[in-house]
Amino acid sequence: SQQGEEDPQALSIQEGENATMNCSYKTSINNLQWYRQNSGRGLVHLILIRSNEREKHSGRLRVTLDTSKKSSSLLITASRAADTASYFCAPVPSWGKLQFGAGTQVVVTP
Amino acid sequence: ETGVTQTPRHLVMGMTNKKSLKCEQHLGHNAMYWYKQSAKKPLELMFVYSLEERVENNSVPSRFSPECPNSSHLFLHLHTLQPEDSALYLCASSQGTGIQETQYFGPGTRLLVL
Repeated sequence: SQQGEEDPQALSIQEGENATMNCSYKTSINNLQWYRQNSGRGLVHLILIRSNEREKHSGRLRVTLDTSKKSSSLLITASRAADTASYFCAPVPSWGKLQFGAGTQVVVTP
Repeated sequence: ETGVTQTPRHLVMGMTNKKSLKCEQHLGHNAMYWYKQSAKKPLELMFVYSLEERVENNSVPSRFSPECPNSSHLFLHLHTLQPEDSALYLCASSQGTGIQETQYFGPGTRLLVL
């Protein structure tokens, strides 16, 4: 399967701390996308990183991609209570569609 | 907020009922998707429509029947469901079906099958 596998499954941190989650996948990709899902809601696109990119930033988010290790990481800096959500990675192979994993559940406590 | 709406937001149905889920996108997109999200499992892509034609059907049981009357509307018709079909059903849309498209999701319909 090409779906992403996020690690850890759950993460609990305090406000102001950084949160890091990882994603691994199995085959070659064209790009990899990260999404966030607040409880009981739909997913919201956060960032897309192409296979020829190594790092990308968007506000307090930093995404890295290591195609040799078939892995990506999402770092949220200076976390806030509003960052409490599930985060999903979705590797996109050149032939197919987004392949979501089961997500990392992040809880940020005040 | 995302331009994709879903109704109803919650649905309880018996195994012999027939119901339909509705999705509408206001983004002018050409592709629409149905996903199933069960607790602690990866999202499962069920169907993909591009310009109102079904382009992907991922081995979904026939008790789920999609319909796309135009590029703005997508339905999922449900009949004789099983309790294991209880899940959050998410609709999404994208401009096209290219591999660098991002998808815009609706809030989902929480379905409980008794």
